[in-house]
Amino acid sequence: GAVVSQHPSWVICKSGTSVKIECRSLDFQATTMFWYRQFPKQSLMLMATSNEGSKATYEQGVEKDKFLINHASLTLSTLTVTSAHPEDSSFYICSISGGAGNEQFFGPGTRLTVL
Amino acid sequence: AQTVTQSQPEMSVQEAETVTLSCTYDTSENNYYLFWYKQPPSRQMILVIRQEAYKQQNATENRFSVNFQKAAKSFSLKISDSQLGDTAMYFCAFMKHVYSGTYKYIFGTGTRLKVLA
Repeated sequence: GAVVSQHPSWVICKSGTSVKIECRSLDFQATTMFWYRQFPKQSLMLMATSNEGSKATYEQGVEKDKFLINHASLTLSTLTVTSAHPEDSSFYICSISGGAGNEQFFGPGTRLTVL
Repeated sequence: AQTVTQSQPEMSVQEAETVTLSCTYDTSENNYYLFWYKQPPSRQMILVIRQEAYKQQNATENRFSVNFQKAAKSFSLKISDSQLGDTAMYFCAFMKHVYSGTYKYIFGTGTRLKVLA
């Protein structure tokens, strides 16, 4: 399957600052990428679907002005958490769509802690 | 709306034994895909097995197999000869067609499986 990386793997920031998380497809041209968040001991919740060269499609209840997604190339999508607050602390996971049956390949995740 | 239900929050099994994780889903679609993913303590999501709804034959991957009952909308995962490395969170996922060429997953709440030595 495709290899997906995320950077950073963990980040700690102060409340009110912005944090950018990168998602890279290392060996596959990903026209579609997905961003999820996962709270402790909970399932993955889809935040948005990111299509290369166009605006992301956000799920209901996800603030697009707070979670900025940029999918500028077939190998890179970024998620910026703007004006982060402690309630934004979570595990953020990206995935790309491809392969047989449009299965998704997941990155290793980024743990965000907002103090 | 599609939903995915995993009714077993936690399960445990002795090493070398067999365990079955349950998953039910609700959809009005006829063609779709179902998946089981494993999330070990590292939190990396790993595909375990995939099932196409149009295939009547149950998918099998080594020690992992599914019991797919389309009419009942049931998709259980059987792990045979359980190993300590199978300890993980297991998520059932339904793939939903959103618009042309784009699909998204709907995940169940997960089952935490612990394999005991």
